[in-house]
Amino acid sequence: GENVEQHPSTLSVQEGDSAVIKCTYSDSASNYFPWYKQELGKRPQLIIDIRSNVGEKKDQRIAVTLNKTAKHFSLHITETQPEDSAVYFCAASRGGSNFGNEKLTFGTGTRLTIIP
Amino acid sequence: GAVVSQHPSWVICKSGTSVKIECRSLDFQATTMFWYRQFPKQSLMLMATSNEGSKATYEQGVEKDKFLINHASLTLSTLTVTSAHPEDSSFYICSARSSVLSRNNEQFFGPGTRLTVL
Repeated sequence: GENVEQHPSTLSVQEGDSAVIKCTYSDSASNYFPWYKQELGKRPQLIIDIRSNVGEKKDQRIAVTLNKTAKHFSLHITETQPEDSAVYFCAASRGGSNFGNEKLTFGTGTRLTIIP
Repeated sequence: GAVVSQHPSWVICKSGTSVKIECRSLDFQATTMFWYRQFPKQSLMLMATSNEGSKATYEQGVEKDKFLINHASLTLSTLTVTSAHPEDSSFYICSARSSVLSRNNEQFFGPGTRLTVL
């Protein structure tokens, strides 16, 4: 089955600086890679996702890059703000069919702390 | 759109009792629902995948007789933790996928249920 590794487990960044979180996956058939932000006691929130036919995607201060050959993808947050403090999870999934049962395999999470 | 609710949001029960958690898709039909368990400071671990009207598919190591899943309609799935023990205390989160709303393999997550077994 799929195995997703995530680094670092904790990350502290000065407000205004950039944060980068990296993930690697093992299943070469995976082609959907979402990133989630989870605050304490709350549901995971999808913040950005990327399909394998795209190498990079950006949404305001958040970007994701994907290297399918090396089987790794990264989350980049620029101009960090205190409200970015949370736990971030990467995930990977096969397929692309909206009718499928393809499951998400989550990374181990990164606790991001933005220092004011 | 794509709102998923869970009930209850938290529950405390005595060891040996059973607890039922409901997961509802409020404004869409969920072709597939997923149940996750999350221990403190850990990741989400998939327990099972369920499709409406069929038996759930459990992940390796998850006891299907202990964690009963019923997906009776396209908007409701239930997870029953039978004979709960303190080690079952966890945050249980459901998610749903829609054949219409889900881009790619997007899952819509419920707010979670915090279970504490005394």
